[in-house]
Amino acid sequence: NAGVTQTPKFRVLKTGQSMTLLCAQDMNHEYMYWYRQDPGMGLRLIHYSVGEGTTAKGEVPDGYNVSRLKKQNFLLGLESAAPSQTSVYFCASSPERGGPPEQFFGPGTRLTVL
Amino acid sequence: RKEVEQDPGPFNVPEGATVAFNCTYSNSASQSFFWYRQDCRKEPKLLMSVYSSGNEDGRFTAQLNRASQYISLLIRDSKLSDSATYLCVVNPGGATNKLIFGTGTLLAVQP
Repeated sequence: NAGVTQTPKFRVLKTGQSMTLLCAQDMNHEYMYWYRQDPGMGLRLIHYSVGEGTTAKGEVPDGYNVSRLKKQNFLLGLESAAPSQTSVYFCASSPERGGPPEQFFGPGTRLTVL
Repeated sequence: RKEVEQDPGPFNVPEGATVAFNCTYSNSASQSFFWYRQDCRKEPKLLMSVYSSGNEDGRFTAQLNRASQYISLLIRDSKLSDSATYLCVVNPGGATNKLIFGTGTLLAVQP
């Protein structure tokens, strides 16, 4: 099992460009999450999903959109990138409620917006 | 006040030393607690869960004090490979398995 995978691993954008980050998990997990990690700020939740076809806002959702059309995939979109969105983006997944709420992380995407 | 607070460090310790990290959380209704480990430029990975009775996994011991809203991690006989950032993590409860992450404590074990 690959666990949680993310593509791309690195990306450089110019201000105003758009892009989509893809997260895929092969553990049949119900819940998926997108975080950003910045120095001194820790991991902050952008959006999350509790099942196929559902999405919800996290702590810092502005400037991002998400979709979960298939259970195994969770997409994060930046419609018009800004330098403030330069960060490391992590996707995570978790089994449905009832078990330990452990989250399994992907390897991250390093995004630079110029 | 941050929901989860940790001393950012760095903690520089020699090999073989014992080191302790502390963490406080603000939401008294929090349900479960964890320590995650994050190596440089890598993703966070679960190190251990933290239970009220305290729990041990080899050289690592975690403690929870719900009355003081305080979590600790003790590492005995530090190894060079223990060098990493240790994240204190709290599950506030609810149906979404959301986790709140501290900013992490950096540990550097010196030869």
